[in-house]
Amino acid sequence: DAGVTQSPTHLIKTRGQQVTLRCSPKSGHDTVSWYQQALGQGPQFIFQYYEEEERQRGNFPDRFSGHQFPNYSSELNVNALLLGDSALYLCASSFSGGRGYTFGSGTRLTVV
Amino acid sequence: SQQGEEDPQALSIQEGENATMNCSYKTSINNLQWYRQNSGRGLVHLILIRSNEREKHSGRLRVTLDTSKKSSSLLITASRAADTASYFCASPTGANSKLTFGKGITLSVRP
Repeated sequence: DAGVTQSPTHLIKTRGQQVTLRCSPKSGHDTVSWYQQALGQGPQFIFQYYEEEERQRGNFPDRFSGHQFPNYSSELNVNALLLGDSALYLCASSFSGGRGYTFGSGTRLTVV
Repeated sequence: SQQGEEDPQALSIQEGENATMNCSYKTSINNLQWYRQNSGRGLVHLILIRSNEREKHSGRLRVTLDTSKKSSSLLITASRAADTASYFCASPTGANSKLTFGKGITLSVRP
């Protein structure tokens, strides 16, 4: 039973570019949340998707957008990249009726 | 703003010793969760304690919760070098809601 799969594992982008990160949730999970973790900090909630809709959103600008597909997988898009967007991006999946969260290994994004 | 604040920020112990990490939170919680993170990779769920529980065990882990003081502690007994990692406490704002994390505790276990 596969856990949460994120791709790619590492990514280097230039300031001003756009990036798409991908997440496949754990089997049986229908909810996907995205977190940004800057170096030396705890993860910060970006948004959560359920039934292909954004259900909750953290304090992140509109440059951050997402999508959830019918198979529950999800994408995180960041436009007009800034140097400050360099971070580890974590995807967490869960089942809407439960309390447990499973995290992926993350995508390390470096903006130069 | 962060819900959980862990203490200490860094902890270095000898293998075989016990490690105690503390977490304080600000608002009422339904449950509190502890996670481990190795070398800036993904988070691994360690243990969840509900607001009506005071203590919970899982292997070498013991977590306590004091809702009157809005605090929790994680005890790792007989530590191993493999326990070297960052540890975070987090609480959801409701069922399946976002997790709010503290800044984490860096634990180093010396062989």
